[in-house]
Amino acid sequence: RKEVEQDPGPFNVPEGATVAFNCTYSNSASQSFFWYRQDCRKEPKLLMSVYSSGNEDGRFTAQLNRASQYISLLIRDSKLSDSATYLCVVGFTGRRALTFGSGTRLQVQP
Amino acid sequence: GAVVSQHPSRVICKSGTSVKIECRSLDFQATTMFWYRQFPKQSLMLMATSNEGSKATYEQGVEKDKFLINHASLTLSTLTVTSAHPEDSSFYICSARDAGGTGLTDTQYFGPGTRLTVL
Repeated sequence: RKEVEQDPGPFNVPEGATVAFNCTYSNSASQSFFWYRQDCRKEPKLLMSVYSSGNEDGRFTAQLNRASQYISLLIRDSKLSDSATYLCVVGFTGRRALTFGSGTRLQVQP
Repeated sequence: GAVVSQHPSRVICKSGTSVKIECRSLDFQATTMFWYRQFPKQSLMLMATSNEGSKATYEQGVEKDKFLINHASLTLSTLTVTSAHPEDSSFYICSARDAGGTGLTDTQYFGPGTRLTVL
């Protein structure tokens, strides 16, 4: 079983749509959670951290459910510029590296 | 925000040659840097953890004699792919963790990546 699992997609949605991505992680001792965005042939960029209380940043809302070991990302009012691969990322404090999911590809269409 | 640079951004080499990739944290000190590899349409896979002043820790399946890592200062780590072969062609990305951070958020900053093509 992969440490971090995501639906690879692609999710093809029209502009203005709301889209949700889910992710599950296997290690219950994981301590930090993130969503990264990766554009084609570029490095990943941090989109937002994810907290148990849920957090929102503009059109983006992230949620963490520790009991179910489940992370979600909701994008409202999708823009063409949101087209990218969204990586679910899990980590530990300290020196350990982050563990990346394989990503969910989003294509927003005009 | 914190900036991490990588050099070169792209390299094409012949089979059997060695390639060195540099990763620098430009405006912060990084006691720990990580090297990842990403094949097309796949996730980033951690290759090794580079700790300043000590030997790197390699992930299972990564040959330490083939992928030489040096982390001589708090702002520079290098990855040398020795005797490169076509199967080593990939996107190599480094990341750095801010030594001044609290550790609670474990934020890492990524370099722009190096695309290696071995002919």
